[in-house]
Amino acid sequence: DAGVTQSPTHLIKTRGQQVTLRCSPKSGHDTVSWYQQALGQGPQFIFQYYEEEERQRGNFPDRFSGHQFPNYSSELNVNALLLGDSALYLCASSWTGAGANVLTFGAGSRLTVL
Amino acid sequence: GEDVEQSLFLSVREGDSSVINCTYTDSSSTYLYWYKQEPGAGLQLLTYIFSNMDMKQDQRLTVLLNKKDKHLSLRIADTQTGDSAIYFCAETPGGGYNKLIFGAGTRLAVHP
Repeated sequence: DAGVTQSPTHLIKTRGQQVTLRCSPKSGHDTVSWYQQALGQGPQFIFQYYEEEERQRGNFPDRFSGHQFPNYSSELNVNALLLGDSALYLCASSWTGAGANVLTFGAGSRLTVL
Repeated sequence: GEDVEQSLFLSVREGDSSVINCTYTDSSSTYLYWYKQEPGAGLQLLTYIFSNMDMKQDQRLTVLLNKKDKHLSLRIADTQTGDSAIYFCAETPGGGYNKLIFGAGTRLAVHP
């Protein structure tokens, strides 16, 4: 089982640019959540997708958007990048039928904004 | 409100027990979790506990939950150098299937 895979692993952008990050969930999982982890901090919830719809959203501006495809994979898009968007972006998948919100995380995409 | 707090750093000798503490604010949290993050990696779920339990043991790991004080702890018995990592406490606010709220993490350093 490949677990959760994310791409790219590292990328560098400049302020004002746009970025797309990709995530393939663990086999059997139907829900994808995205988290932002700044250096030295815990992950912060961005949003969660289930059945191709955004089910819940954290305290992030509209510059952050996402999508879930019929095969459950997901994309995170960030527009008009700011220096403060530099972080590790983590994708996590889960199965809605589980009793607990047990997340399986990918290794992350590290974004540097210059 | 939604907030999870942890001490930032813990240093222990190899073979000793480690205890990592966490406090949370949402009394309606149904599940509480412990995740481990090694350098350059994502988060790995170690264990979780349902809020109607006060203890859960899984091999070298023991989780204690004091729901009255909203305090969670993780004890690692016989700590090894491979346990060196950052440990995150997390809650599911409101008991839903949605977001997790994480603490800032406790960096565990294990020395010989």
